[in-house]
Amino acid sequence: GQNIDQPTEMTATEGAIVQINCTYQTSGFNGLFWYQQHAGEAPTFLSYNVLDGLEEKGRFSSFLSRSKGYSYLLLKELQMKDSASYLCAVRDSNYQLIWGAGTKLIIKP
Amino acid sequence: GAGVSQSPSNKVTEKGKDVELRCDPISGHTALYWYRQRLGQGLEFLIYFQGNSAPDKSGLPSDRFSAERTGESVSTLTIQRTQQEDSAVYLCASSLGEGLGYNEQFFGPGTRLTVL
Repeated sequence: GQNIDQPTEMTATEGAIVQINCTYQTSGFNGLFWYQQHAGEAPTFLSYNVLDGLEEKGRFSSFLSRSKGYSYLLLKELQMKDSASYLCAVRDSNYQLIWGAGTKLIIKP
Repeated sequence: GAGVSQSPSNKVTEKGKDVELRCDPISGHTALYWYRQRLGQGLEFLIYFQGNSAPDKSGLPSDRFSAERTGESVSTLTIQRTQQEDSAVYLCASSLGEGLGYNEQFFGPGTRLTVL
């Protein structure tokens, strides 16, 4: 079967750095996405990785290792508005997105 | 420009009734997706359209669920004889198309369905 694993919940302090991990087992691989979802709102796109390595975009970076079936999302200089759920999704060989259950990130002052 | 829109935003219905949910994708987006999200859970894939055809219906949970798309634009998700377990937020997303490469899905605000 296909599976995406993420921690259910994480807590971090305003101004700090947090790393949210995602491991996957899927039928083929055609890219990995990270989305942010604030409570009661729709998911919004954060990043896309298809090759190994780190993609940096402002305060957010995403890393991929295809051989390990592993990705992480790194959030720097945390702000209160970063409190949200972060969803990892992998596009399989049929170009279907397989979604993780999401990691709820709680930012404390 | 206009994003993905969905209607209604909220729907409360009685068990056994049929409901129809509507999605208007971003103009020019050939791919359209329906997801279900139960409270506190991740996204559950239901169905995806490429143009007006649905190559993948594998996520539809039962034969009470059906979807159609016309004119490579509007899509409707119909749930017949609703059950309480159908209560969830139904999200629609669209993208430029399927295939290799960066292909972001843009989500609508969702329809919150409550079955009493």
